[in-house]
Amino acid sequence: SAVISQKPSRDICQRGTSLTIQCQVDSQVTMMFWYRQQPGQSLTLIATANQGSEATYESGFVIDKFPISRPNLTFSTLTVSNMSPEDSSIYLCSVELNGDGYTFGSGTRLTVV
Amino acid sequence: SQKIEQNSEALNIQEGKTATLTCNYTNYSPAYLQWYRQDPGRGPVFLLLIRENEKEKRKERLKVTFDTTLKQSLFHITASQPADSATYLCALGGNAGNMLTFGGGTRLMVKP
Repeated sequence: SAVISQKPSRDICQRGTSLTIQCQVDSQVTMMFWYRQQPGQSLTLIATANQGSEATYESGFVIDKFPISRPNLTFSTLTVSNMSPEDSSIYLCSVELNGDGYTFGSGTRLTVV
Repeated sequence: SQKIEQNSEALNIQEGKTATLTCNYTNYSPAYLQWYRQDPGRGPVFLLLIRENEKEKRKERLKVTFDTTLKQSLFHITASQPADSATYLCALGGNAGNMLTFGGGTRLMVKP
C-alpha cells in the first residue's frame, strides 16, 4: 500500500483567511481524492484530482472555495478559502493502489475562529 | 437518494466475544464494499474489500459478508480485544469511477 504524508496535521485559523493542505504520496497515482469529515460525521468526498486536468468536484463543493492543485503524480494540495467557522473539520487526502482498498493521509484538523 | 446506514449507537461488548457490525444501503448497486477502521485523530485504515460476486471474505479474526439481495454487509470480529475498540466505517464503490461513498460509522467498545 501507499504511504501518504499530509500536512499540516492541525491548524487554528482566523475567519476570512485561507489554508493550504498538502499531500505527498510515495508512489505515482493517477487519482487523488480529498475528503472532509465534520465532527462526529463520516467522510464526504470533496473532489477527485487527476494530474494534468482540473479537479472534479462533488455536489455542494466548488472550485472557488476549495481550489485543488495536482502538479505531478505524487503530490496534491487542497486550499480552504475565505474560511468561516463552518469549515472547521478534518480534511483527508486518499489514494487507491492496486484496486484493493484506499490509503488515507493522517488528516488535517482545521479549527476556524 | 442513495443512503448507507450504519448503527450510529456505540456497540459495547465483552472481550473475547464476537462483535457484529451492520451496513445497509439503499438505491445503490455497488461493485464492491469496503470496511475501514478509524481511530480518533487518525485517517481511516483499510481492512477488507468484498466484491458483488463474493458472499464472504475472511482475514485473520475478521469476516465480512455481502448480501446484494438484502443490500447488507455484516462485519464480524471474533475473539474481540480491547485493542479492537475503534470506529468502523463501511464504504461502497465501483459505480462512478473510483469514488467511494462512506457510511456514518459504528463505534465499537470492547471491555476487558
